Formats: sequence, structure tokens, C-alpha cells
Amino acid sequence: AQSVTQLGSHVSVSEGALVLLRCNYSSSVPPYLFWYVQYPNQGLQLLLKYTSAATLVKGINGFEAEFKKSETSFHLTKPSAHMSDAAEYFCAVSEASGTYKYIFGTGTRLKVLA
Amino acid sequence: GAVVSQHPSRVICKSGTSVKIECRSLDFQATTMFWYRQFPKKSLMLMATSNEGSKATYEQGVEKDKFLINHASLTLSTLTVTSAHPEDSSFYICSASRAGGTGELFFGEGSRLTVL
Repeated sequence: AQSVTQLGSHVSVSEGALVLLRCNYSSSVPPYLFWYVQYPNQGLQLLLKYTSAATLVKGINGFEAEFKKSETSFHLTKPSAHMSDAAEYFCAVSEASGTYKYIFGTGTRLKVLA
Repeated sequence: GAVVSQHPSRVICKSGTSVKIECRSLDFQATTMFWYRQFPKKSLMLMATSNEGSKATYEQGVEKDKFLINHASLTLSTLTVTSAHPEDSSFYICSASRAGGTGELFFGEGSRLTVL
């Protein structure tokens, strides 16, 4: 069975500082991995996805994530946080066979301090 | 890009009434649509998977008679909360997959249901 663990339900960084949001997954089959962002009372917006191509994936708004099979991780990073990055971030995994059935992590709320 | 729209974005209803939420894929045909429920400060809980023209597949613990899902066309799925009660108040989000896609789901904006 697949599962996703996001370490840290809340992360605070200063504006301009590095953002690191952690995601570890468990999957018995090759996974697809995703990071989504959610602003209050809105749906989810895709930041980036890993679908078995390059292990370093670049997404929107300066975010990127690296797929590390040996560590079963897919951590999300951004070199310099902006106030507008404050939101809830969800990591998700699905089977690479294309079932589209996502398993979501519990989410990490990012707070950016001025 | 692929756009998924939900309507209404907010709805308030009285206890005992039924509420219908629509999920539309605006610029693509959605082979499969998913309905999620999100509790405050919690993750998304998958409620059911629906394929056009067939019965929805519900996740364990989700009452299919309370949460009726219809996927009548390749661009529209509806979730009807029947005989709503205050505990059904939540944020409901739909998503859709696209034929020939690469595993990515496209999410609606969400619908906040408040049952008085």
C-alpha cells in the first residue's frame, strides 16, 4: 500500500530564507509524486510533479523537488521564500500505472515571517 | 491548461435538505473524476472515484446513500449530499484526470458546505 508522510505540520521561515518541506513516501510500485499548494478556501494548484523522468523537478514559483529513491523522499525546496508563499502544501503519491488515485500527505502549513 | 470548475463555491442549507455540487472540466474530457472531503486544517480524504457512465466507487466508510455521485458526461460530475446534517459541513473538492495524461489530476476550486 502507498503512503505519504510529511514531516512538520507547520514550518516558519523568514522572508528570503530557504524553504524546505519534507515528504517521504512508501510505494511497492514505481510512483508518481506531486506537490500541490492550497491557499485558504481554494482548491489545489500543482507546483510540480515527478513521473519517472528527471529526478530533479522544477516547478512553478521557483520551487523544485528532488526524487531520491534510496531515501524514498521527494522534498520540496525554494531558495528564497516570499511572503506570497505562505500557504498549505500537500505531497501526494500515485501509482505510475496511471490509476490517478492519489494518496495525500497530511499537509504542511508554511508561514513566512517578514 | 486544463481547468476544472466547481459550483457553487459556497452553499448554506438547512438540516434535512439536499445539496448538489457540480464539477465540470471546461476544456478537456475527464475520464475519471474524484471527490474529496477536507476537514479544517486536515488533509484531503478521498470519498469516491467516478467514471463516466458507470457507478461511482466509494472509499471505505463513505455512505454512498448519503453522498450520491453522478458522472453523466465526460465533462460533468455531481455530488449530492442528501438529508444534510451539520456534521456534513465541510470543504468538498473535486478533481479530474485527462485521457492520455501523465498521472496529473486537475482540481476544482472547492465548495464549502455549511449545514445549519
